[in-house]
Amino acid sequence: EAGVAQSPRYKIIEKRQSVAFWCNPISGHATLYWYQQILGQGPKLLIQFQNNGVVDDSQLPKDRFSAERLKGVDSTLKIQPAKLEDSAVYLCASSLAPDGTQYFGPGTRLLVL
Amino acid sequence: AQSVSQHNHHVILSEAASLELGCNYSYGGTVNLFWYVQYPGQHLQLLLKYFSGDPLVKGIKGFEAEFIKSKFSFNLRKPSVQWSDTAEYFCAVSPGNAGNMLTFGGGTRLMVKP
Repeated sequence: EAGVAQSPRYKIIEKRQSVAFWCNPISGHATLYWYQQILGQGPKLLIQFQNNGVVDDSQLPKDRFSAERLKGVDSTLKIQPAKLEDSAVYLCASSLAPDGTQYFGPGTRLLVL
Repeated sequence: AQSVSQHNHHVILSEAASLELGCNYSYGGTVNLFWYVQYPGQHLQLLLKYFSGDPLVKGIKGFEAEFIKSKFSFNLRKPSVQWSDTAEYFCAVSPGNAGNMLTFGGGTRLMVKP
């Protein structure tokens, strides 16, 4: 069974630029999550989707971050414009059901200069 | 909002030593509790979880954790560590009625010396 796929794996941008991350969950997983993991900290949930609807986005900085999950499969997370403090690893996870085990992808490591 | 504290940021042990990693959470209601592990160069993966029932939970690779409600704790244990247990360990909690709204602790880096 293929795992959660994410791309790109690494990205370096300058502040005020925009960036987008892509996630392909495990086939059949209805629930998808985006986390931000700053160096030395645990992952922080940004947004949770159930199919193509948002379940919770209370910790998503909506002035600069946006996410979508068209057709209830792949998802993209965008930052526009990026700030220095957005440097982090962005993790995508998926689960079969809202209360199921979350399976994590390898993450995208973002460096904002 | 809930929070999770992992008091040991770095732990160094020799092989065959016993392991206990602390995890305390703050949340007034029913909780679900998790331990995740990230081996070097690998993805985060679930080690074990507690939803209800027996407060002593057994996970993969010989790990176990005990939920002590009165202490708001969910400590991870292993009687004899191996070099291959070198990894970063994360405790996480979610409200009992929202099984997957995880709040993670800051993580503990474990290094096991051969």
